[in-house]
Amino acid sequence: AQTVTQSQPEMSVQEAETVTLSCTYDTSESDYYLFWYKQPPSRQMILVIRQEAYKQQNATENRFSVNFQKAAKSFSLKISDSQLGDAAMYFCAYRSLDMNRDDKIIFGKGTRLHILP
Amino acid sequence: GAVVSQHPSRVICKSGTSVKIECRSLDFQATTMFWYRQFPKQSLMLMATSNEGSKATYEQGVEKDKFLINHASLTLSTLTVTSAHPEDSSFYICSASGSSGSRETQYFGPGTRLLVL
Repeated sequence: AQTVTQSQPEMSVQEAETVTLSCTYDTSESDYYLFWYKQPPSRQMILVIRQEAYKQQNATENRFSVNFQKAAKSFSLKISDSQLGDAAMYFCAYRSLDMNRDDKIIFGKGTRLHILP
Repeated sequence: GAVVSQHPSRVICKSGTSVKIECRSLDFQATTMFWYRQFPKQSLMLMATSNEGSKATYEQGVEKDKFLINHASLTLSTLTVTSAHPEDSSFYICSASGSSGSRETQYFGPGTRLLVL
């Protein structure tokens, strides 16, 4: 079974600085998707970034980028120029491409990110 | 991006009553919808997966007679908590993935906070 591990329950970063959130996963599959979701205090889950495992190029969305290391099964999120609005719980997530798995997403336990003014 | 709504956003009910929560995909057809439960400061726990026109698939440990799920159309799924008790108090989130474009990504509703007195 697939698992997603986020080893940092909480992190803090100074505003305007860069922070990296760690995520590792375990799977025997070769094709899958990886995601980072953000859950601010409103509790609305927001998709931050998505990575297809077959793509070697790391995904980037404005100030958010990932470091995808497929062999190491690592998928870290880098937030550049941190802003107060980035304060949230961040969830790393895995989705199989196996059609029999019903599109289920497996979430990590989350990392709470604090932005220090 | 795709928009998913939930109604109501919060509900307070007496023990023993039933509560219905609606989840709607507003601008895409959701072939699959998911229902999650989230306890404070924890990750999302998948309760069930529903495909339009068929019975929901429940995760292990989730009582299907307690949490009734209906996915009658490609834009609407409902979760009914039957005979609610205080231990059912929680934050319930739905998500949807669709046939148009972003099937690989789940889009989340804003959640429903249920408090059973």
